[in-house]
Amino acid sequence: EAEVAQSPRYKITEKSQAVAFWCDPISGHATLYWYRQILGQGPELLVQFQDESVVDDSQLPKDRFSAERLKGVDSTLKIQPAELGDSAMYLCASSPTGNTIYFGEGSWLTVV
Amino acid sequence: DQQVKQNSPSLSVQEGRISILNCDYTNSMFDYFLWYKKYPAEGPTFLISISSIKDKNEDGRFTVFLNKSAKHLSLHIVPSQPGDSAVYFCAASATNKLIFGTGTLLAVQP
Repeated sequence: EAEVAQSPRYKITEKSQAVAFWCDPISGHATLYWYRQILGQGPELLVQFQDESVVDDSQLPKDRFSAERLKGVDSTLKIQPAELGDSAMYLCASSPTGNTIYFGEGSWLTVV
Repeated sequence: DQQVKQNSPSLSVQEGRISILNCDYTNSMFDYFLWYKKYPAEGPTFLISISSIKDKNEDGRFTVFLNKSAKHLSLHIVPSQPGDSAVYFCAASATNKLIFGTGTLLAVQP
């Protein structure tokens, strides 16, 4: 069964450093999402791509976060500089139609 | 403002009995609803969904009920199994954007 691939699974970084997460969606899925989940809360959408275009980044803290999907396939989410409050699980997901989305295993970030 | 609410943070059920997880929403524009299951340190796994034109969808041990007038949906798991122990998130969709609830931790006791 096809899966959304994410790396790294775990990342520990010092505050003010840069960190990047990579995602490879399920083949053929045009829509790609980055969500952030803080313990005890539900996933919150950071950015949504349709092919290579951003369709929603209203919740992305653009002063420190950036995301790109240059060729409309895989995607990178970057945080620079990282802050203590960024510690969370970063989830990538993809969808063929936009209704049902399929998540990857997630990338755990701890900022110390 | 929380558009999707799961008011029970946790639920404990005996193995073999029915588990009922509840979810309320406020936005009448939501037209598609989903349930996801999440184990610790893993991403959410899609379980079951329902369109707003239906009031029930069943898949094996899992059934989702939608009451649009009450803006309420529920997930029934019967019979519950210890492997069902996880956090369950409901999610609602409008214009292809999913909004998640805060989750309910289900513990199924052997």
